[in-house]
Amino acid sequence: QPALTQPASVSGSPGQSITISCTGTSSDIGGFDTVSWYQQHPGKAPKLMIYEVINRPSGVSNRFSGSKSGNTASLTISGLQPDDEADYYCYSYTSSSPWVFGGGTKLTVL
Amino acid sequence: QVQLVQSGAEVKKPGASVKVSCKASGYSFTGHYIHWVRQAPGQGLEWVGWIITISGGTNFAEKFQDRVTLTTDTSISTAYMELSRLRSDDTAVYYCARTDYSSPRSHIDHWGQGTLVTVSS
Repeated sequence: QPALTQPASVSGSPGQSITISCTGTSSDIGGFDTVSWYQQHPGKAPKLMIYEVINRPSGVSNRFSGSKSGNTASLTISGLQPDDEADYYCYSYTSSSPWVFGGGTKLTVL
Repeated sequence: QVQLVQSGAEVKKPGASVKVSCKASGYSFTGHYIHWVRQAPGQGLEWVGWIITISGGTNFAEKFQDRVTLTTDTSISTAYMELSRLRSDDTAVYYCARTDYSSPRSHIDHWGQGTLVTVSS
């Protein structure tokens, strides 16, 4: 059972915005500003999209943004495009494990 | 550019061990940790552990504590993960990945291509 809880699936139409949540506890998301988000297309390695809650690596579209409130982090994708269809994982440092992933969210672009 | 190139697919019998390699290039190997992550077929990502490349210090997820060994050979910028006493549920793609900076709290910024380990009798 993953330590971080994500919705199993979300969907949206091209051009729309969607938000994926990632809920943990005060021992992980709530206690550290270390949440990162990864995009994974089928058969490919994950790709870093957001790090340290809100930061975008160079080369990642500004349509991707991150935020955090309490024990929940969120990834928002605006202006959905067909290539955004993928699995998305949150990832956080914890006081115990010390790193854990969310269970993953499958994004479908309708 | 940063590259992590992993060894090829492996097929092992239950109870055996497997050793996966991860050769780094394009950056200073000892300036970043190496994490290992696995993904069972159709499942999510699972953190296995990390190694501090400059010192060899390690940390593991509790479920892997007694079966995983992480090592490095800094002379050839290569990290290794050995998993022993293999079971069928160890069948997965194993990824090595680099941290953005040298800290236990640093995120992963680059990934290897993955190595499929199949455990079957």
